[in-house]
Amino acid sequence: SYVLTQPPSVSVAPGQTATISCGGNNIGGKIVQWYQQKAGQAPVRVVYDHSDRPSGIPERFSGSNSGNTATLTISRVEDGDEADYYCQVWDDTTDLNVVFGGGTKLTVL
Amino acid sequence: QVQLLESGPGLVKPSQTLSLTCTVSGDSISSGLYYWSWIRQHPGKGLEWIGFTFFTGNTYYNPSLKSRVTISIDSSKNHFSLILTSVTAADTAIYFCARATLLLSEPFQNWFDPWGHGTLVTVSS
Repeated sequence: SYVLTQPPSVSVAPGQTATISCGGNNIGGKIVQWYQQKAGQAPVRVVYDHSDRPSGIPERFSGSNSGNTATLTISRVEDGDEADYYCQVWDDTTDLNVVFGGGTKLTVL
Repeated sequence: QVQLLESGPGLVKPSQTLSLTCTVSGDSISSGLYYWSWIRQHPGKGLEWIGFTFFTGNTYYNPSLKSRVTISIDSSKNHFSLILTSVTAADTAIYFCARATLLLSEPFQNWFDPWGHGTLVTVSS
């Protein structure tokens, strides 16, 4: 099955930029969704495709995707951005069609 | 505003059947625009897709759970259900329902939005 690999944790100071990677074989050829899950809450989609955002998501959230790595970038990080972040793709090459990355815990120092 | 709400027992005995319902408000399950999904999260762990279904009955399941899972829709009640048989402690998790968009033309993609709040199901005797 297709595998998405994320770093377990990323730490960043307020006001700085956080980057969270999501590695997968030729992931640049897929559409990647990014979800934010705050403690005790359900996930919320924050970025999709290369760098589109659902309505209501701040412009500080952006993405990129090329080769074997997709990246979620959060600019001017705020305390409220502390959460787990998951990447997700649809894979039609195996029976496991919906694939989530293992998640990255973003800590705001 | 579309809202989803999970309901069902919070405790299930080993070897028995887990049964959850997701009630949808603000959208029609039989609109033909979306799939209706279940996703779970083991305590302190990541997200695991269980499966989703369309109002026509077309379904996609995680192959690791496929032999034990049924997701079905009741259009008259605007809700959909999850049945997971022969549960073990490994099925203890928070179960989320979610609306899924599935685009099966290049480039293929799907996403989940919105999600329910989730319900914790513990498998224990």
